Amino acid sequence: QQQVKQSPQSLIVQKGGISIINCAYENTAFDYFPWYQQFPGKGPALLIAIRPDVSEKKEGRFTISFNKSAKQFSLHIMDSQPGDSATYFCAASLGGSYIPTFGRGTSLIVHP
Amino acid sequence: NAGVTQTPKFRILKIGQSMTLQCTQDMNHNYMYWYRQDPGMGLKLIYYSVGAGITDKGEVPNGYNVSRSTTEDFPLRLELAAPSQTSVYFCASSLGQGIGGEQYFGPGTRLTVT
Repeated sequence: QQQVKQSPQSLIVQKGGISIINCAYENTAFDYFPWYQQFPGKGPALLIAIRPDVSEKKEGRFTISFNKSAKQFSLHIMDSQPGDSATYFCAASLGGSYIPTFGRGTSLIVHP
Repeated sequence: NAGVTQTPKFRILKIGQSMTLQCTQDMNHNYMYWYRQDPGMGLKLIYYSVGAGITDKGEVPNGYNVSRSTTEDFPLRLELAAPSQTSVYFCASSLGQGIGGEQYFGPGTRLTVT
């Protein structure tokens, strides 16, 4: 049973465009939703995270939008750059468990 | 701080061989984790530990063993390597306090079993 469903599996965007990656979860008890960024040959690194008491969080060009009623959250990358080309993972965890459930990842390619 | 370090970076094993993947963190984190990453399948949790002397199974523990004798170290043991264990293995750690908990990942070990 896949508790966090991520789409699309791959995404190609032109430089300057908006990249959008979506995730849906099933467990309404999840209360921490991080996004990780992974460059080829490296381990994932935390990019941005949100808790369900807010509907949006922005850090630079990266924004998480959260829809609690729909049990969905998404990552928006504004003004996408070739340096953003990486694999992005969404995740969800229960407060205090520290054992996140990961989505399957999205491979983003930003063409110059 | 070095963060989370893993050795080796690459390894080729023959079927039936055994090996230990090493993981060390210098952030005094309580939680440590082992994941495997296969193309298109995301990160699958193998084992995790909430502190020295305490370990528990994750989603895909079969064929692996772990120990946590110190806060810093969390080695992963493969006893009888099988081709299905060909993967990239990541160790991670987390402070394990507050709400959520950022995970810090090591650089990974690429393992091939032939």
